[in-house]
Amino acid sequence: EAGVTQFPSHSVIEKGQTVTLRCDPISGHDNLYWYRRVMGKEIKFLLHFVKESKQDESGMPNNRFLAERTGGTYSTLKVQPAELEDSGVYFCASSPFPGELFFGEGSRLTVL
Amino acid sequence: GDSVTQMEGPVTLSEEAFLTINCTYTATGYPSLFWYVQYPGEGLQLLLKATKADDKGSNKGFEATYRKETTSFHLEKGSVQVSDSAVYFCALSDQGDYKLSFGAGTTVTVRA
Repeated sequence: EAGVTQFPSHSVIEKGQTVTLRCDPISGHDNLYWYRRVMGKEIKFLLHFVKESKQDESGMPNNRFLAERTGGTYSTLKVQPAELEDSGVYFCASSPFPGELFFGEGSRLTVL
Repeated sequence: GDSVTQMEGPVTLSEEAFLTINCTYTATGYPSLFWYVQYPGEGLQLLLKATKADDKGSNKGFEATYRKETTSFHLEKGSVQVSDSAVYFCALSDQGDYKLSFGAGTTVTVRA
């Protein structure tokens, strides 16, 4: 069974540009989560989808971040425009029900 | 709010040495506690968990005991191997809330 996959694994962009990160959860998992780890610090929660609905987006840092999950399958996280402090590793996780989370390898974002 | 504090790394030790990574937490309720591990080039994986006071989680030779009186969940392994080299994250979630709060992570390197 395929795990959670994230794309790209690493993205390098300049300040002010736009980046879109994609997450494909494990098939059948209704719950999808985004987290990020900035500058080697704590991994922080960003938001939680149940199917296509945003259940909790309390961790989204500001309106430059937009997450979508059309059709309740894969999800995208867009950062527009990117700032230097957005650099970090963005993790996606999925679960079939609230419980153990299965994480992807993460997408590393570097903003220059 | 909820928070997790774990010992800073990096930690470097020799094969067969004893490993302990300290983790303390602050939570308003009665959280579940977790240790996640990220091996090089892989996603975060659940290593072990404990859901109530005095529970001991164990997996792959690692153990951690949920200590409510000291609000701690220290990770231990009696004899590490090179393959245990990874980043270890302590985390918690409040009961019924699967939004995880992570510590900053501890990088462990085991030398042959």
